[in-house]
Amino acid sequence: AQTVTQSQPEMSVQEAETVTLSCTYDTSESDYYLFWYKQPPSRQMILVIRQEAYKQQNATENRFSVNFQKAAKSFSLKISDSQLGDAAMYFCAYRSARNSGGSNYKLTFGKGTLLTVNP
Amino acid sequence: GAVVSQHPSRVICKSGTSVKIECRSLDFQATTMFWYRQFPKQSLMLMATSNEGSKATYEQGVEKDKFLINHASLTLSTLTVTSAHPEDSSFYICSARDRRGHPSYNEQFFGPGTRLTVL
Repeated sequence: AQTVTQSQPEMSVQEAETVTLSCTYDTSESDYYLFWYKQPPSRQMILVIRQEAYKQQNATENRFSVNFQKAAKSFSLKISDSQLGDAAMYFCAYRSARNSGGSNYKLTFGKGTLLTVNP
Repeated sequence: GAVVSQHPSRVICKSGTSVKIECRSLDFQATTMFWYRQFPKQSLMLMATSNEGSKATYEQGVEKDKFLINHASLTLSTLTVTSAHPEDSSFYICSARDRRGHPSYNEQFFGPGTRLTVL
């Protein structure tokens, strides 16, 4: 079974600064997807960024970028120019690209990192 | 597009009663919906996967007779918590995957969640 580990329960960053959230995962599969989700106080899950494992190029979405190291099974999220609205719980997630064992392509989440942005 | 709604957003009930939570995909059809449970400051725990027209697949340790799932149409799945007890109090989140395209690629879109409090 796949596992996702977020080793930083909490992180803080000054407004306008850059912060990196860590995520490692364990899988025996070669084809999969990785995601970062944001859950603000409203509890609505919001997709921040996704990465296809077959792509070597790191995904970017405006101020958000990832450092995907497939061999190391590492998938960190970098938030540049942090804003007060970035304050939230961030979850790293894994999804197989195959419906192995009837998984229905379900997501496996890490435990989350609570990001605080200081003004 | 890709909006998922949940109803109710908040419910308080007495111990021993049953509560039904609805999950609707508003602007797309969802072959598969997922139900999660989230305790305070914790990650999302997948409870079950709901496929339209077939029985739900429950994760290990989730009581299928306690958490009844019905996916009667391509836009609606319901979760019924039967004979609810205080330990069932939690935040319940659903997600839905668009039936168009390949399921290995399609995103899961999350509902806003339902807070259940059992007195």
